[in-house]
Amino acid sequence: DTGVSQDPRHKITKRGQNVTFRCDPISEHNRLYWYRQTLGQGPEFLTYFQNEAQLEKSRLLSDRFSAERPKGSFSTLEIQRTEQGDSAMYLCASSFAANTEAFFGQGTRLTVV
Amino acid sequence: DQQVKQNSPSLSVQEGRISILNCDYTNSMFDYFLWYKKYPAEGPTFLISISSIKDKNEDGRFTVFLNKSAKHLSLHIVPSQPGDSAVYFCAAKGNSGGGADGLTFGKGTHLIIQP
Repeated sequence: DTGVSQDPRHKITKRGQNVTFRCDPISEHNRLYWYRQTLGQGPEFLTYFQNEAQLEKSRLLSDRFSAERPKGSFSTLEIQRTEQGDSAMYLCASSFAANTEAFFGQGTRLTVV
Repeated sequence: DQQVKQNSPSLSVQEGRISILNCDYTNSMFDYFLWYKKYPAEGPTFLISISSIKDKNEDGRFTVFLNKSAKHLSLHIVPSQPGDSAVYFCAAKGNSGGGADGLTFGKGTHLIIQP
């Protein structure tokens, strides 16, 4: 297993378009997290899954954002009607259990023009 | 409201010396703390963690110290090497009543190791 994988690495989209990102966690990890990082800030928590159940959502996750993890393996994060303020690095992480380290993917950099 | 604070945006240290990165937190419900290292255009890489029941954890050149009464932790790197130049993030988690399982990150400290 090569770690957490995210696709695509970069995405440029026009304002108003929908985008979808994919994350493949480390195979034996049942917890999967999405974070967003903007310039000069640390990663900000968006949402988390335990297996296929979405257990937590940050207030940062507006109605235009939706995340799924249909079979408890890979996850997708969709942003509808993108806005320029959505431009950021979107990071996925996975962990084996609570209070164990989370391993991050390389991120998807979204630019909304 | 910044619950995890890294007050030094950057730190410059000579190669071979000790690097000390500091982090303060305000939420007393945090009970697990982690340090991550990040290179440009890559995701954060886990370095070391500490549970609130401990005050020190060591892994090779990296040691994390936790002072619960002061709500302060620090990462010591000794000796510092050129490859340590990166942005270091302090992160915390706990039953904070919302985002309980997600990590709360500081803004990071850019460590520069001078030859």
